[in-house]
Amino acid sequence: GAVVSQHPSWVICKSGTSVKIECRSLDFQATTMFWYRQFPKQSLMLMATSNEGSKATYEQGVEKDKFLINHASLTLSTLTVTSAHPEDSSFYICSAREAGLETDTQYFGPGTRLTVL
Amino acid sequence: KNEVEQSPQNLTAQEGEFITINCSYSVGISALHWLQQHPGGGIVSLFMLSSGKKKHGRLIATINIQEKHSSLHITASHPRDSAVYICARPGTASKLTFGTGTRLQVTL
Repeated sequence: GAVVSQHPSWVICKSGTSVKIECRSLDFQATTMFWYRQFPKQSLMLMATSNEGSKATYEQGVEKDKFLINHASLTLSTLTVTSAHPEDSSFYICSAREAGLETDTQYFGPGTRLTVL
Repeated sequence: KNEVEQSPQNLTAQEGEFITINCSYSVGISALHWLQQHPGGGIVSLFMLSSGKKKHGRLIATINIQEKHSSLHITASHPRDSAVYICARPGTASKLTFGTGTRLQVTL
């Protein structure tokens, strides 16, 4: 089956630093990837939709200058949390939709746990 | 009110029990996802269904599009089934709207 990987799986950083999270589709091409954030005991919240070769579409309330998304190839999207603060500590998950398919099936990555000290 | 409602929110069962998790949604859809989130956070897509019933191992998912309701059943539950089960409906541009999740704990 389709596999999506994320790197790193967890990261601890100091307040004010930037952190880059990678999302890769390993055995398929993904024209669309989605970035989600999940706080403890809460449901996933869509942050942005990442489209290969074009600008990401951000959900209301998500700062595009703080959460930089790049989808430079059909197998890789990156999320950079700039000037991270403790309130950005969360579980970040990506999903990828396989190119060329009409189905809405999304394949999820294993997630990245970010802790900002 | 959340567009996608799940019940129960929490469920404890003994090994071997038959489990049902329900999902209701307020907006008409063409398909619904069932996802499983493990304690470590990883998410696995269990089913995407648009009508009738789908079965995979001990998991069965049913949907009634007219009644805007879906159920996930687990037969002969096992402690390794302990996870959060989430239903989600696709919307515009394939964006998913998630239910609140059902936390299942299966004990020996």
